[in-house]
Amino acid sequence: GAVVSQHPSRVICKSGTSVKIECRSLDFQATTMFWYRQFPKKSLMLMATSNEGSKATYEQGVEKDKFLINHASLTLSTLTVTSAHPEDSSFYICSAPAVATDTQYFGPGTRLTVL
Amino acid sequence: GDSVTQMEGPVTLSEEAFLTINCTYTATGYPSLFWYVQYPGEGLQLLLKATKADDKGSNKGFEATYRKETTSFHLEKGSVQVSDSAVYFCALSGKNTGNQFYFGTGTSLTVIP
Repeated sequence: GAVVSQHPSRVICKSGTSVKIECRSLDFQATTMFWYRQFPKKSLMLMATSNEGSKATYEQGVEKDKFLINHASLTLSTLTVTSAHPEDSSFYICSAPAVATDTQYFGPGTRLTVL
Repeated sequence: GDSVTQMEGPVTLSEEAFLTINCTYTATGYPSLFWYVQYPGEGLQLLLKATKADDKGSNKGFEATYRKETTSFHLEKGSVQVSDSAVYFCALSGKNTGNQFYFGTGTSLTVIP
């Protein structure tokens, strides 16, 4: 079946630094990918929709300059958390819809810890 | 707007007990309905789905039936195992949502031996 990978799986960084998270669709092309944030014991919150070849669409309340999204190719989207702070610590998950279906395939997630 | 309401947990069951996790939805049009499972420390995995009314999704002993008349998609399993301990998310998606997923809040299940 379709596989979506994320890298890194875990990252620890110092406050003020930037962190890049990659999301790749391994055996299919995805013109759209979604980025979610999951708080402890909470559901997934959609942050933004990543569009190949154009700007990402951000959900209300998500800072565009804080969370930079680049959909560089049909198999890769990146989320960069700029000037990270401890409150940005969270579990970030990406997903991509499989071609011609409405099923989303989720990456395994990236655990970000900002010290 | 579209939304999913899911039974709050946590739920604790003994091994071999019957499981029901309730899920109801509000949507325009006819969305597809999903159950995803998240094991500790991992990402979400598709458990089962149903794309139209009266469809039954099933996988690994879990079942859910798309009930349009009650706008529900309850998850059931006849005999749970310790390995079923996880968080379960109900979700909907479809053309009317632009393939965007709407998730329930998740229900944590713990199965004890």
